[in-house]
Amino acid sequence: DTEVTQTPKHLVMGMTNKKSLKCEQHMGHRAMYWYKQKAKKPPELMFVYSYEKLSINESVPSRFSPECPNSSLLNLHLHALQPEDSALYLCASSQAWDTDTQYFGPGTRLTVL
Amino acid sequence: RKEVEQDPGPFNVPEGATVAFNCTYSNSASQSFFWYRQDCRKEPKLLMSVYSSGNEDGRFTAQLNRASQYISLLIRDSKLSDSATYLCVVNRAGNMLTFGGGTRLMVKP
Repeated sequence: DTEVTQTPKHLVMGMTNKKSLKCEQHMGHRAMYWYKQKAKKPPELMFVYSYEKLSINESVPSRFSPECPNSSLLNLHLHALQPEDSALYLCASSQAWDTDTQYFGPGTRLTVL
Repeated sequence: RKEVEQDPGPFNVPEGATVAFNCTYSNSASQSFFWYRQDCRKEPKLLMSVYSSGNEDGRFTAQLNRASQYISLLIRDSKLSDSATYLCVVNRAGNMLTFGGGTRLMVKP
């Protein structure tokens, strides 16, 4: 089973709201990732967690705050977002963080008004 | 220069045709290579990994040329269901994937 789940599927929020995106995998993977994908563009890496520790932050603005409560869960907390942050947010996981296949969740489509 | 470059297409081909996509990458230290497929408004799904010796999975054949920093994907006997965007993906150090812009394929009856 190579399933990564994400909730919610769709989210509409105002610029003053606080919301969270959730990602879950039960494959025993020890690395998890957040990507952002704008329309007609490829995914861009935001964060990498390895063994529940943040190992890479690709210079993402502080209005995006990741959290890894345990090895199966990954959250992305959102606060004071801008309309240009509207995108598809994809979670992925891999067995380990070095040279291993990544499996993607279905994504959360975020619209910031 | 982009790290991973692909022809955006679209490639419009009839059912049953053979179609080939190419991709070049700039980082000679890249360690592993993949083709992902992405349907409209869906997540990327792994199609196949790419090895220097070349590898085949049914109608799909992938090749890697490290000297030229070039990756290819060949699809034989195209099906309508092959219509999608094909993403060339290169793994930098530490499993950080860099995606090409994607090549759009449309297979027509």
